[in-house]
Amino acid sequence: GAVVSQHPSRVICKSGTSVKIECRSLDFQATTMFWYRQFPKQSLMLMATSNEGSKATYEQGVEKDKFLINHASLTLSTLTVTSAHPEDSSFYICSARQRFNTGELFFGEGSRLTVL
Amino acid sequence: AQSVTQLGSHVSVSEGALVLLRCNYSSSVPPYLFWYVQYPNQGLQLLLKYTSAATLVKGINGFEAEFKKSETSFHLTKPSAHMSDAAEYFCAVSVMNTGFQKLVFGTGTRLLVSP
Repeated sequence: GAVVSQHPSRVICKSGTSVKIECRSLDFQATTMFWYRQFPKQSLMLMATSNEGSKATYEQGVEKDKFLINHASLTLSTLTVTSAHPEDSSFYICSARQRFNTGELFFGEGSRLTVL
Repeated sequence: AQSVTQLGSHVSVSEGALVLLRCNYSSSVPPYLFWYVQYPNQGLQLLLKYTSAATLVKGINGFEAEFKKSETSFHLTKPSAHMSDAAEYFCAVSVMNTGFQKLVFGTGTRLLVSP
């Protein structure tokens, strides 16, 4: 099956620093990747949709200058949390869709960000 | 707008008992529906999906779900619960937005399995 890998799985940083999370599709080309945020014991909230080679589309209420998304290749998308603050602490999950869309998304393992 | 509602944030069953997790959808067009499972500190794994073919969909780990248009439901069932089934389960509907297809998730149901 299709595999999506996220790195790092856990990261702790100081307030004010920036953190980059990578999302890779290991065995397929992902034309579209999605970034979700999940608060404890809550559902996944879509942050943005990224398509290879174009700007990401952000959901309402998500600060695009705070959460920078880059989808430079068909196998890699990155989420950079800029000037992180404690309220940015969360579980971030990426997902990817194969080039020939079947409606199914493949999810990464998630990245837990803790901002001190 | 399309959405899903999961009734019950927690469901508790005994090992060997029937599992029933409820999901109702709202959609103005024929929906694509999904069930995902999430184990602690992990991403989501697809259990099964409905994409307008057979209304009874069989998934992994013995789970199945039935699409009932008249009831706008897509409930997840498993005849006999196993301890390893304890996890968070999410129902999702696929929607088109700004030209892209994306998933909208329900609030999730935590399945607790007791010995």
